[in-house]
Amino acid sequence: GEDVEQSLFLSVREGDSSVINCTYTDSSSTYLYWYKQEPGAGLQLLTYIFSNMDMKQDQRLTVLLNKKDKHLSLRIADTQTGDSAIYFCAGNSGAGSYQLTFGKGTKLSVIP
Amino acid sequence: GAVVSQHPSWVICKSGTSVKIECRSLDFQATTMFWYRQFPKQSLMLMATSNEGSKATYEQGVEKDKFLINHASLTLSTLTVTSAHPEDSSFYICSALPQNQPQHFGDGTRLSIL
Repeated sequence: GEDVEQSLFLSVREGDSSVINCTYTDSSSTYLYWYKQEPGAGLQLLTYIFSNMDMKQDQRLTVLLNKKDKHLSLRIADTQTGDSAIYFCAGNSGAGSYQLTFGKGTKLSVIP
Repeated sequence: GAVVSQHPSWVICKSGTSVKIECRSLDFQATTMFWYRQFPKQSLMLMATSNEGSKATYEQGVEKDKFLINHASLTLSTLTVTSAHPEDSSFYICSALPQNQPQHFGDGTRLSIL
């Protein structure tokens, strides 16, 4: 099955860019997702990318996908204190599957 | 659109009682919903896939008699933790699958068993 790995912590200064990285193992994943979780809350879908795309931009968010290396990244431009949260990378567990496999999450801390 | 509501958000109860958690899709129909469990500072662990009108599919190691799932309508799935004990204390999150969209999650239920 799918295995998803992320670094656990990232600390950036307010106004800088944040880059959260993720690697996955299942090349048949059709979509790859980024979710945000604030303390005590559920998961908020931030963005997702289809596996045949290299890049997707949505306002301050840029997703880069390197399918050859099975590497996914999320860049947050002009990081704000409200971006402090845990960010989960996820992939669907094989082509045609609706189930998601999540990474352990990266805790982003934004320093004012 | 694609709002998922989970209720209650926090419940505290005595050991041995049963607790029901509701997951509703407010503005779409969901034939498939998912139930996850999250331990502190850890990722989400899929417990089961809930299918409207049929039995849930449980992940390996999840006791189906302990965690009862009912998905009787296209907008509601319920998870009942039966005879709850302190080790069942956790954060439970549901998600629903709108057509042609990714999973959308509820806000979670924090369950504390005394």
